[in-house]
Amino acid sequence: DQQVKQNSPSLSVQEGRISILNCDYTNSMFDYFLWYKKYPAEGPTFLISISSIKDKNEDGRFTVFLNKSAKHLSLHIVPSQPGDSAVYFCAASAGRGSTLGRLYFGRGTQLTVWP
Amino acid sequence: DVKVTQSSRYLVKRTGEKVFLECVQDMDHENMFWYRQDPGLGLRLIYFSYDVKMKEKGDIPEGYSVSREKKERFSLILESASTNQTSMYLCASSLGLTSGEGRGETQYFGPGTRLLVL
Repeated sequence: DQQVKQNSPSLSVQEGRISILNCDYTNSMFDYFLWYKKYPAEGPTFLISISSIKDKNEDGRFTVFLNKSAKHLSLHIVPSQPGDSAVYFCAASAGRGSTLGRLYFGRGTQLTVWP
Repeated sequence: DVKVTQSSRYLVKRTGEKVFLECVQDMDHENMFWYRQDPGLGLRLIYFSYDVKMKEKGDIPEGYSVSREKKERFSLILESASTNQTSMYLCASSLGLTSGEGRGETQYFGPGTRLLVL
């Protein structure tokens, strides 16, 4: 049973516009959330994270928003660039719970940024 | 920078062969993980290890085994390769929850091994 869900398999955005990638989770024990970016034939690279004590974290063009009551987080990319075209994975952790530090991943969203 | 390396980028094996995938990390991380990635299914956890000689099953351990004899090295073994094990295999490591400094769950991935079983 998927505990982290990315319901949009793909997203297409024009260069310069905002990209918004969404993620929902079901496990209320999750308290740390991450976004990864993956290009074809490469391993995922860590992008940005947020702890449940915050509702927003920003790093350059990337901002992650967390809505704990809705069990929802989103990644905003502003402005979008063609080099941002990749698969984006959302992940969550329950910290010192029984998960021993494992991450639970969504199935990913393919972002395409066109000129 | 954390560096995670995997022994092969591409591998072609025959059905029934025993396959070893090696992963090495150079940052003294406690935790190591093996995933497979298939189109539409995302990253699925096969096995992970939080200490030398310790292992935990992930979500899809069937047909796989692992070995962690040294802290920096985590091996994935396909005892008898089958065509449904054709996939991209990704290794990752993380500092671990006992780090005491911030969150240690952030995982760092290797470049992946694309395995084709014929």
